[in-house]
Amino acid sequence: ELKVEQNPLFLSMQEGKNYTIYCNYSTTSDRLYWYRQDPGKSLESLFVLLSNGAVKQEGRLMASLDTKARLSTLHITAAVHDLSATYFCAVGGEFGNEKLTFGTGTRLTIIP
Amino acid sequence: EPEVTQTPSHQVTQMGQEVILRCVPISNHLYFYWYRQILGQKVEFLVSFYNNEISEKSEIFDDQFSVERPDGSNFTLKIRSTKLEDSAMYFCAGLRDGSYEQYFGPGTRLTVT
Repeated sequence: ELKVEQNPLFLSMQEGKNYTIYCNYSTTSDRLYWYRQDPGKSLESLFVLLSNGAVKQEGRLMASLDTKARLSTLHITAAVHDLSATYFCAVGGEFGNEKLTFGTGTRLTIIP
Repeated sequence: EPEVTQTPSHQVTQMGQEVILRCVPISNHLYFYWYRQILGQKVEFLVSFYNNEISEKSEIFDDQFSVERPDGSNFTLKIRSTKLEDSAMYFCAGLRDGSYEQYFGPGTRLTVT
């Protein structure tokens, strides 16, 4: 059974600081997704990583994928308050149309 | 930009009642999914649906649950006899052929009392 683990579960950081969220998964997969969820809201797609070594950046967020280590990271640079949310990684199947298996989520709070 | 829509946004029901949650996927999507999220927990896969049949289902998706796409647009999740533990947010998602990115609807919050 595929397991997807994120750490930390909770992260409180000051504005302007950098931090990294880690996502480990237990079986081989080339497809890794990052989603953002605001309280009571749906899942907003942030990044889709489709191969080993993939790196994508959008604003203050950068995601990377190491399929050999079964590890993805979401790096936050110079955090600002509106990045406060819960971030989920999810692992996809071999063919792209299978279910997503989600991680436990990281609740990020940015303190002014 | 087209969006996945879900109705109702919030449903309150009594234990033992049947509920139907509705989703209207984006028109060019071919693969459909239901996920649920118990408050404060992670998102869990329930079922995937393609070509008018279930392609995969999780252990959660027992005989109380069913899905269908009755008219080629709506995609529904039926829970026959709700239990307290069915209280959760239910998300519908869709995927177009050849893509890897699932688009999620806004969710239906189901409260079973």
